[in-house]
Amino acid sequence: AQRVTQPEKLLSVFKGAPVELKCNYSYSGSPELFWYVQYSRQRLQLLLRHISRESIKGFTADLNKGETSFHLKKPFAQEEDSAMYYCALAQHMEYGNKLVFGAGTILRVKS
Amino acid sequence: GAGVSQSPSNKVTEKGKDVELRCDPISGHTALYWYRQSLGQGLEFLIYFQGNSAPDKSGLPSDRFSAERTGGSVSTLTIQRTQQEDSAVYLCASSLSPSGKNTEAFFGQGTRLTVV
Repeated sequence: AQRVTQPEKLLSVFKGAPVELKCNYSYSGSPELFWYVQYSRQRLQLLLRHISRESIKGFTADLNKGETSFHLKKPFAQEEDSAMYYCALAQHMEYGNKLVFGAGTILRVKS
Repeated sequence: GAGVSQSPSNKVTEKGKDVELRCDPISGHTALYWYRQSLGQGLEFLIYFQGNSAPDKSGLPSDRFSAERTGGSVSTLTIQRTQQEDSAVYLCASSLSPSGKNTEAFFGQGTRLTVV
């Protein structure tokens, strides 16, 4: 079964410290993975997708098919990074792609 | 135009009453999703509509939950005989025909449901 696992419910780091939010997936085909973010009192929104291989707000995520992981990383955390982060997988169905989300990780950046 | 719109923003209802939650997706988006966000539970998939295909209802937690999507646009999530455990934020999202590598979902602001 297709599944996304985020093992940490809460990750607390100090400002300036490196951040790694873990995401593992199980999927039989070629995965399409995303990170979504929800800041306080804002809508859930796309942060980045693996296919774009981009860096957004200093965050990057590399797809590792061998380890079936898509961890989100940032070298120096900032207080404004505090938010809920969800990893998501596009499950290819006959008529389109269905998004499957992990349980989410709260990132708290302390000053 | 506007993004995904949900109404009402907040709903307080008495246990046992029925509620309807509405979602207006982005015009032209053929895929529509409902999720439930509970404290400590993350984002729980409820139902997925894609074009004219039969919806994927595999996430609906009980037969008290149902959803419709009329004319391939507006969707209504109905919860019958509400229970206190139904209290949560209900999120709707839409995306373009996601058959290719463009499955970005755009989320509404959510409906916070409180069952008292």
